[in-house]
Amino acid sequence: NAGVTQTPKFQVLKTGQSMTLQCAQDMNHNSMYWYRQDPGMGLRLIYYSASEGTTDKGEVPNGYNVSRLNKREFSLRLESAAPSQTSVYFCASTTGTGVSEQYFGPGTRLTVT
Amino acid sequence: TQLLEQSPQFLSIQEGENLTVYCNSSSVFSSLQWYRQEPGEGPVLLVTVVTGGEVKKLKRLTFQFGDARKDSSLHITVAQPGDTGLYLCAGRIDQNFVFGPGTRLSVLP
Repeated sequence: NAGVTQTPKFQVLKTGQSMTLQCAQDMNHNSMYWYRQDPGMGLRLIYYSASEGTTDKGEVPNGYNVSRLNKREFSLRLESAAPSQTSVYFCASTTGTGVSEQYFGPGTRLTVT
Repeated sequence: TQLLEQSPQFLSIQEGENLTVYCNSSSVFSSLQWYRQEPGEGPVLLVTVVTGGEVKKLKRLTFQFGDARKDSSLHITVAQPGDTGLYLCAGRIDQNFVFGPGTRLSVLP
């Protein structure tokens, strides 16, 4: 089992460019999450999807959009990248029931110049 | 303002010492998780505590959930260089998890 996979691992964008971060899980989990991690800030929730077909905003959704393509895949799109979006992005998934332990992907390190 | 505070922010100790790190909030959580994160990787779950006052032991690591389910501690005995990493706590509210900023632990040989 691969668990949670993310692509790409690294990306450099110029201000105003767009890109999509991909995430997939093979654990048949219902819920998926996108976080960003900045120094001294911990992980902050951008968007989440409690189940296939639903998405909701988290703590810091501005400048991002998401798509829950199917049960396995949850993508994060930056339409017009800004330097403030320089960060490490993590995707996570959980069963969505019970204690709901989160499993994280390896992260995407994004730099916007 | 952080919903979850962690202390200390940084901790550097010698191999063999004991240490405790703390996770505090004014909010009540239905459960609380501790993760360890190494450079260039995603966080990895260490433990989940659910019941107020619960204590869980994982080899040299002891986790405690406060009686009011607002705070937690992680105690490590006889620290090893392999314990080095960023320790994150995460409290669950409804469907989501709120993370603290982490304690960065360095255990020197």
